[in-house]
Amino acid sequence: SQQGEEDPQALSIQEGENATMNCSYKTSINNLQWYRQNSGRGLVHLILIRSNEREKHSGRLRVTLDTSKKSSSLLITASRAADTASYFCATRQAGTALIFGKGTTLSVSS
Amino acid sequence: SAVISQKPSRDICQRGTSLTIQCQVDSQVTMMFWYRQQPGQSLTLIATANQGSEATYESGFVIDKFPISRPNLTFSTLTVSNMSPEDSSIYLCSVEGGRAGPTDTQYFGPGTRLTVL
Repeated sequence: SQQGEEDPQALSIQEGENATMNCSYKTSINNLQWYRQNSGRGLVHLILIRSNEREKHSGRLRVTLDTSKKSSSLLITASRAADTASYFCATRQAGTALIFGKGTTLSVSS
Repeated sequence: SAVISQKPSRDICQRGTSLTIQCQVDSQVTMMFWYRQQPGQSLTLIATANQGSEATYESGFVIDKFPISRPNLTFSTLTVSNMSPEDSSIYLCSVEGGRAGPTDTQYFGPGTRLTVL
């Protein structure tokens, strides 16, 4: 079963622009993680944010978490063509495996 | 992080047959999981592979269709039994814990792309 929804389902931007993806979920969580997948290949772990954290940064990535609204956002700044991929949020409850959202397909054109 | 390999990387199978997918990790890990990703879809958890005991399956997945083994802390297999075209998917192994990396972070293998004719 899937925990939540990503929004938008697809996003097309120009190189240099910022990309924002949102994720909503339904139940309480221990942490939320973002992954990237290029063209149906394996998943690359991007960032983990715990339920007691509100914001985390990693390079050009910024993740926020609002547990009161059960939502998270992933911001990619100064996007590059190489950022073209599908992005998934995944939530973790205590003692369980990750449950994935439906994903956002990002296309960055040069 | 751990290096995770899967065999085969892809296969084309006839309906009614079975395929066993192997997942090998280069270090001992605490948890191993199997996911399915149907074409154009997100990942769905099939089961948690438990070392030395029966796997724990998610709703909608049963042991007769997806038998799983985990004989040790570095290896697991998933069998897709009596296949039909609806089983065409990417099957991904995922690991956590031990020397794989930080706790709570799951790492994924490259996936096995299965096509059933």
